Amino acid sequence: NAGVMQNPRHLVRRRGQEARLRCSPMKGHSHVYWYRQLPEEGLKFMVYLQKENIIDESGMPKERFSAEFPKEGPSILRIQQVVRGDSAAYFCASSPFSEYYGYTFGSGTRLTVV
Amino acid sequence: QQPVQSPQAVILREGEDAVINCSSSKALYSVHWYRQKHGEAPIFLMILLKGGEQKGHDKISASFNEKKQQSSLYLTASQLSYSGTYFCGTGDPSTGANSKLTFGKGITLSVRP
Repeated sequence: NAGVMQNPRHLVRRRGQEARLRCSPMKGHSHVYWYRQLPEEGLKFMVYLQKENIIDESGMPKERFSAEFPKEGPSILRIQQVVRGDSAAYFCASSPFSEYYGYTFGSGTRLTVV
Repeated sequence: QQPVQSPQAVILREGEDAVINCSSSKALYSVHWYRQKHGEAPIFLMILLKGGEQKGHDKISASFNEKKQQSSLYLTASQLSYSGTYFCGTGDPSTGANSKLTFGKGITLSVRP
């Protein structure tokens, strides 16, 4: 039973390029969350999705960032025109349809903008 | 509002006990605890939902005080594998116990032989 799969593990982009981060939730989990982590800091909420729906995107910058969780395929976090400040570790997590369960996190994508 | 974790860092010898706290000035709706090792994914430890709740497994347990303004994580007879950064994450009543967590900055715990 594979856990949450994120790819790529490491991604290097030049300023102005686009970054696409992928996340396949754990089997049986219908809720997907994206969090960003900077060194020495906690995880910051970005967006919460269910299949084909964005439930809460209050933590996502209004410009350049978007997320989706299509009916088929992985969830995608897309960052357009990346800037140095976007460099961070991006973690995806999934959970079952119940508020009594914690998250299963993926191993993260470490984005470096050069 | 970001919960405050204390102490800032913990250094233990194998077999010693530790307590990590997660506090807020407002009542918390829910508290999650996670442990993260360097370069790895955070691992879920437990979730607490009710004031006065206590739960645990193996030698790791947690409590949620009656006013729901503080949760504590208890590590007893610590093992080398307990080393890592411990985060608490709090849920929002408007979105649910686990829909949008606000995490503390984390506490680094090091267990030495």
